[in-house]
Amino acid sequence: EVQLSESGGDLVQPGGSLRLSCAASGFTLGNYWMGWVRQAPGKGLEWVANIHPSGSGDYYVDSVKGRFTVSRDNTKNSLFLQMNSLRDSDTATYYCVRGGGGADYWGQGTLVTVSS
Amino acid sequence: DAVMTQSPLSLPVSLGQPASISCRSSQSLVKSDGNTDLSWFQQRPGQSPRRLIYQVSNRDSGVPDRFSGSGSGTDFTLKISRVEAEDVAVYYCMQYTHWPHTFGQGTKVDIK
Repeated sequence: EVQLSESGGDLVQPGGSLRLSCAASGFTLGNYWMGWVRQAPGKGLEWVANIHPSGSGDYYVDSVKGRFTVSRDNTKNSLFLQMNSLRDSDTATYYCVRGGGGADYWGQGTLVTVSS
Repeated sequence: DAVMTQSPLSLPVSLGQPASISCRSSQSLVKSDGNTDLSWFQQRPGQSPRRLIYQVSNRDSGVPDRFSGSGSGTDFTLKISRVEAEDVAVYYCMQYTHWPHTFGQGTKVDIK
């Protein structure tokens, strides 16, 4: 059974940093593009970042470019999102998704709150 | 960016009645290989989104056949043939032909 489990969400001050993790199981991580999608409280969905199966390429929405970095460790079945220079507008539940666009499986999400 | 526009944003439906949600893209979603990367997702209250449909009209495993997707180019539709209580949710279309992948605003379906 495919499972994705995010962790690392927390309350952080504006300008701070946070690293999210996603533990994958039930499939071979290295065979899939992976992504992060976020949802601000009571709002819609926004695709944030994608990463190639080998980690050789990554893509970001303009609002996080230069501040967020997606990475992966296929040997440890893990996906990461390093978030720096956090802003109030980054407050959201962050979902790990399988597939660069296919998004056929989603994790339960982890809440990031940016507030002073 | 490809802007995805859904309508209506709120859809009250009686049990057993059909429902239809429109999704329009500001750009063609047809790729050079002829495929169209447009998906529909269901997000029930308090849950993560769940994919229902991919590449316009392909239903995911386990999705009831009362859900169907259609359309081409820039205009797409999700139909529920007979709404059941478990279909109360917000539905999103998403294009993944172009980067960044973009979602519609969401359509809230509830029971009238």
